[in-house]
Amino acid sequence: DTAVSQTPKYLVTQMGNDKSIKCEQNLGHDTMYWYKQDSKKFLKIMFSYNNKELIINETVPNRFSPKSPDKAHLNLHINSLELGDSAVYFCASSQAQIINEKLFFGSGTQLSVL
Amino acid sequence: DQQVKQNSPSLSVQEGRISILNCDYTNSMFDYFLWYKKYPAEGPTFLISISSIKDKNEDGRFTVFLNKSAKHLSLHIVPSQPGDSAVYFCAASVGANNLFFGTGTRLTVIP
Repeated sequence: DTAVSQTPKYLVTQMGNDKSIKCEQNLGHDTMYWYKQDSKKFLKIMFSYNNKELIINETVPNRFSPKSPDKAHLNLHINSLELGDSAVYFCASSQAQIINEKLFFGSGTQLSVL
Repeated sequence: DQQVKQNSPSLSVQEGRISILNCDYTNSMFDYFLWYKKYPAEGPTFLISISSIKDKNEDGRFTVFLNKSAKHLSLHIVPSQPGDSAVYFCAASVGANNLFFGTGTRLTVIP
């Protein structure tokens, strides 16, 4: 029973398209995150979100937007996809909004923009 | 600017020997450090952590050492097992702020 699951696992799309990646956690955690791992293997936080607060990494373009229908879900919407958006995107969750709290990651979504 | 660096992209070790993975950081304000392990096609999983008030933390075969003056931490795995073959990420944080990850070291344990 997967704790943090994200879909799809692979996503290939054309430049300019709009796409979404879904994430669900069944751990009862309060906080969810989106991380991006680029071609240089850097893992960087994009967003952290709990039911009270969305914290956005200021370097993230506003084409990226998280949507949370409930505490267990945090989806990532990307508008007007660009070549540079190609990366692996990881969803994660933690018990509290304390970054020292260990994170539970999903298995990643490999996005390829052609 | 990469604040957490893992300068060795890969490491090979014989089964039963010690694996030592290294990590350097530049921000002296970091107060919490974590190691994550990642298998192919899976997300990173938490392995072990250490607070800046300590210089060592041990959990079974895994020990993390922190040298604050050198801004260096290391992960020791003894004895190494083939199932330890994975990519290991070092991460650091300041207070409740976000985690800064290194680029990972791929460990291969040779049977």
